[in-house]
Amino acid sequence: DVKVTQSSRYLVKRTGEKVFLECVQDMDHENMFWYRQDPGLGLRLIYFSYDVKMKEKGDIPEGYSVSREKKERFSLILESASTNQTSMYLCASRSQTTLGGYTFGSGTRLTVV
Amino acid sequence: DQQVKQNSPSLSVQEGRISILNCDYTNSMFDYFLWYKKYPAEGPTFLISISSIKDKNEDGRFTVFLNKSAKHLSLHIVPSQPGDSAVYFCAASAGTNAGKSTFGDGTTLTVKP
Repeated sequence: DVKVTQSSRYLVKRTGEKVFLECVQDMDHENMFWYRQDPGLGLRLIYFSYDVKMKEKGDIPEGYSVSREKKERFSLILESASTNQTSMYLCASRSQTTLGGYTFGSGTRLTVV
Repeated sequence: DQQVKQNSPSLSVQEGRISILNCDYTNSMFDYFLWYKKYPAEGPTFLISISSIKDKNEDGRFTVFLNKSAKHLSLHIVPSQPGDSAVYFCAASAGTNAGKSTFGDGTTLTVKP
């Protein structure tokens, strides 16, 4: 069964902390994505990557950075966590060569206090 | 500027009846459209997609209709089952392998037994 695994289901961090959210996929997908989901706002794209060491900004990249050193791993970094980054974070992957949608992870519920 | 809109936050239907979820988009570059289903505490799951060269795509109880001139798509679920109760997200992308999708806010479907 193919999978996207997010390392934590729930996280509580303090304002100003540096936060790492990890995502690993086992499908050899080229494309990986980080979204956040907020009530009434749907899913908004933070960053995405088409290949190792490549990254592109999504719609709301401010306050975030990403790292993709290996094809299967895509990390989201909150440089200095703030309370407005409290959200559900969803990682997804997709093949570049086949039709169909994303495979999502189960999500990380991050609370910044 | 919200490029993908789901104007109904919620929908309630009786088991066995048809559920119709609607989605509108504004970006004429979008040519690939997807629907996802999301249960609480889980990541979204890809349900069905349609390319702009088609106006209908069926998969079992799920049918997606695309009206390009109106920039409108809909998801029909027939017959609806209680297990279909979930949040449904519409998404759109430009190019089938471009990867990046823009999501709507979601519609919460409740199917009553």
